[in-house]
Amino acid sequence: SQQGEEDPQALSIQEGENATMNCSYKTSINNLQWYRQNSGRGLVHLILIRSNEREKHSGRLRVTLDTSKKSSSLLITASRAADTASYFCATMTTDSWGKLQFGAGTQVVVTP
Amino acid sequence: GAVVSQHPSWVICKSGTSVKIECRSLDFQATTMFWYRQFPKQSLMLMATSNEGSKATYEQGVEKDKFLINHASLTLSTLTVTSAHPEDSSFYICSARFYGNTIYFGEGSWLTVV
Repeated sequence: SQQGEEDPQALSIQEGENATMNCSYKTSINNLQWYRQNSGRGLVHLILIRSNEREKHSGRLRVTLDTSKKSSSLLITASRAADTASYFCATMTTDSWGKLQFGAGTQVVVTP
Repeated sequence: GAVVSQHPSWVICKSGTSVKIECRSLDFQATTMFWYRQFPKQSLMLMATSNEGSKATYEQGVEKDKFLINHASLTLSTLTVTSAHPEDSSFYICSARFYGNTIYFGEGSWLTVV
């Protein structure tokens, strides 16, 4: 079953703009991960944030986690056409031993 | 770094036949692997947890007799779609647990049943 929701479902922006997408989940987690998937391809791991962390950065990516609201956000700054992809959040509970529950995903289109 | 390989990347099979997809951990031993399915324009849904040396644990709604999972060694799990039908056409992707909660995904396999 799906762990939670992501919004927006789709996002269309121009190069140079920032893209923000949100993820909500339902149960207590050990960590939350963000993945990128280009059309027809596999998953690319972007960033992992643990339940005791509130914010994490990696290059142009910024992830926040609010465990009290059971939500996370992914910000891509200065977007590029190559950032066009679907982005998924995925949660891992403490007792899941590697099992992930994925959100519905946000489809991002960055136009030059 | 750790790598998980899936084979085949693409497979087309006739309705009613069976097809096997392999998931290999190339440079580490994985006692636990996971199989996910993704229909076009949808998210990934966990199908089952594959445990080396024991039976797989299937998620609710997944037919264990249709999706046979065998984790015969510490580096290989296989998913066999039996008596495949067009509605089984999907993207299948595996992941392997490295240690703790560290997991690595395979590249995925596209199955088209005609």
